[in-house]
Amino acid sequence: GAVVSQHPSRVICKSGTSVKIECRSLDFQATTMFWYRQFPKKSLMLMATSNEGSKATYEQGVEKDKFLINHASLTLSTLTVTSAHPEDSSFYICSVNPATRGAVTDTQYFGPGTRLTVL
Amino acid sequence: GENVEQHPSTLSVQEGDSAVIKCTYSDSASNYFPWYKQELGKRPQLIIDIRSNVGEKKDQRIAVTLNKTAKHFSLHITETQPEDSAVYFCAARAAGGSYIPTFGRGTSLIVHP
Repeated sequence: GAVVSQHPSRVICKSGTSVKIECRSLDFQATTMFWYRQFPKKSLMLMATSNEGSKATYEQGVEKDKFLINHASLTLSTLTVTSAHPEDSSFYICSVNPATRGAVTDTQYFGPGTRLTVL
Repeated sequence: GENVEQHPSTLSVQEGDSAVIKCTYSDSASNYFPWYKQELGKRPQLIIDIRSNVGEKKDQRIAVTLNKTAKHFSLHITETQPEDSAVYFCAARAAGGSYIPTFGRGTSLIVHP
C-alpha cells in the first residue's frame, strides 16, 4: 500500500488570503498525485493530476490560476488556494496510486483530507 | 468519458440486516471497480474491488458482484453492524491511461442498533 499524509488537517482563513495544503507520500515515490475536492454529502470531484517535475493537468472547469499545484519532489505535492473566497470552503483530499509506478495493485490511497473554511 | 450512477443515496437498515448498493457505468472499456468506505471527516478507504474477468468476489461480510453485459455492479453487506455506518462510493476505471477512477455520488448507510 501507500501511506499518505496531509497538512494541515483543517484551516480557517479570511476571504482574500491564500492557503497552502501539503500532501506527502510517506512510503512511496509518487510521480503522480491526485487532488480531489469534496462538498458535504457529495462525491469526490477530481480537480487535477499533479505531475512531478512538470505542470499539473487540470480537469475541465477547474481554474488553474486559482488552484496552484506544485509537485517539486517524489514525495510532496502542494495545492495553494489563491485569494480564497467562502465558496472555496470544502474538504480537499489528495491521493496516490502505486500503479502509476508500475505496481500490480491498482488502488487509490487517500490522504486524511484538509477541511478549508473561508470566512 | 465514464459516467457512474449510484443508488440509493441513503440506505437505512436495522443491525443484522443486509444492505445492497448498486452502481451502473457507461464505458464498456472499464475493467476495474473498487468500492470505498468513508467515515465522517475521514479519508475514503478501499474495502473491496473487482476486475472485469471476475463475476463475484467476497471478503467476509462484504461481497461485490459484476454484470459486464448490463454494465452494473453491486456491493452487498451482510449482518450489518453499527460500525458499518458510513458513506460508500463505487468507482469504475478503464484499462490503461491515467489510473483515475470515476466515482459514484455515494450512499450514506445508516445501521440502527
